[in-house]
Amino acid sequence: NAGVMQNPRHLVRRRGQEARLRCSPMKGHSHVYWYRQLPEEGLKFMVYLQKENIIDESGMPKERFSAEFPKEGPSILRIQQVVRGDSAAYFCASSPREGGDQPQHFGDGTRLSIL
Amino acid sequence: SQQGEEDPQALSIQEGENATMNCSYKTSINNLQWYRQNSGRGLVHLILIRSNEREKHSGRLRVTLDTSKKSSSLLITASRAADTASYFCSGGSNYKLTFGKGTLLTVNP
Repeated sequence: NAGVMQNPRHLVRRRGQEARLRCSPMKGHSHVYWYRQLPEEGLKFMVYLQKENIIDESGMPKERFSAEFPKEGPSILRIQQVVRGDSAAYFCASSPREGGDQPQHFGDGTRLSIL
Repeated sequence: SQQGEEDPQALSIQEGENATMNCSYKTSINNLQWYRQNSGRGLVHLILIRSNEREKHSGRLRVTLDTSKKSSSLLITASRAADTASYFCSGGSNYKLTFGKGTLLTVNP
C-alpha cells in the first residue's frame, strides 16, 4: 500500500514564476493537510482539505497561495509569483478520518528553492 | 489548534544508551502526539497519548504525560544508530499539528 506521494521532490523556480506542488494521499484517505517547514523550524499548518472542499485555510497566506483537492487526481498547492521567502519544504499529510486523535501520514515533501 | 515545544534542541548519546526528550505546551489538550523526522524525509507518527493517560509504551518507546505541568516526555530505550533523527511533539484537540524546532537526536555507533 503506497504511502503519501509528493512530487516533485525538488522544485526550482525564479522569482515571479508559479510553483505547483502535488500530493496523492494514501489509498482510502480523503483528508489532506499541507504544512510548510522553513529552515531550522518545525512544520506549520497551512490548509486542510477534503475532496472538493477547503475545510480550513487559516494557515495559508492570503495572497498568492491556493490549494485544491479535486474529485479526481491529486491535491495541488499552488504558489503564484513566487518570492525568495517561499523557499521551504512543503509537506502533505493524509488521514482516513478527521480528528485530533488521528495520526497523520506524511509524504517526503517538496523542497522549493527560489532563485 | 495543536502546540508543542521540544527540549533539548540537540542530544548526542552512544548506541545502547537511553534517550529522553521533553515537550511542553501551553493550553489544555485532548491528546499529544510524537513524530520522528529523518533527514530529508517526512514525519513518521510514533505514538499518541490521551489526556486521561499518564504513560504509554510502544516497543522501545515510553511516553509520559503530566497535564498538571503541561509536559510530556519521550524515552527511547537501548538506542540504535537508526534512531538518529529529529523528534517533534504536538498536543491539542484537532487536526492542526503544530511543532517546535524539535530535538535532534544523534546516536553514535
